[in-house]
Amino acid sequence: EDQVTQSPEALRLQEGESSSLNCSYTVSGLRGLFWYRQDPGKGPEFLFTLYSAGEEKEKERLKATLTKKESFLHITAPKPEDSATYLCAVSDRGSTLGRLYFGRGTQLTVWP
Amino acid sequence: NAGVTQTPKFQVLKTGQSMTLQCAQDMNHEYMSWYRQDPGMGLRLIHYSVGAGITDQGEVPNGYNVSRSTTEDFPLRLLLAAPSQTSVYFCASSYSITGITGELFFGEGSRLTVL
Repeated sequence: EDQVTQSPEALRLQEGESSSLNCSYTVSGLRGLFWYRQDPGKGPEFLFTLYSAGEEKEKERLKATLTKKESFLHITAPKPEDSATYLCAVSDRGSTLGRLYFGRGTQLTVWP
Repeated sequence: NAGVTQTPKFQVLKTGQSMTLQCAQDMNHEYMSWYRQDPGMGLRLIHYSVGAGITDQGEVPNGYNVSRSTTEDFPLRLLLAAPSQTSVYFCASSYSITGITGELFFGEGSRLTVL
């Protein structure tokens, strides 16, 4: 059973069309939830850390929010350069320090 | 700063061969780790290290060995390559040995094919 589930698997948006990506998790005790961006042929790049329900973080057109069971990555007025795969990961209090559980990602395509 | 450097970027092996994937970081990070990424699956932790001389197993350690003789380097050894080890391998490091921040710095990946 996956500890982290991301939806949708793929999302196509027209430039300027806002939307949200979902990350739900089932770990027993959340130490932290993390969002990464991955471009084709590259390693993941860190975006945000969220620690507790109600927390929000923003960076340019991206805004990440956290509830007790899920996180959303809101993309406002996306541009083609936002096209990438967005990965969600969690750190569980019951797991080895430093170990992250990654979701399978949402592949976002923004067309002009 | 170069960040996290992985070599080689591409490698083709025959079943039964052995090889080492190299990883070096120049950020003085104590924590280093190896992940593999397969189509349709999330990144999975192979091995990790919280400092020189200290290594431990992750989620999928079988068939792989690691060592950490210096802070900078964390090589991953494939002992007897199998087709199931065909994957993209990522090395990642962090300044936080507790991993609480979750901010991992990833290399660009090593793409391995085992025939």
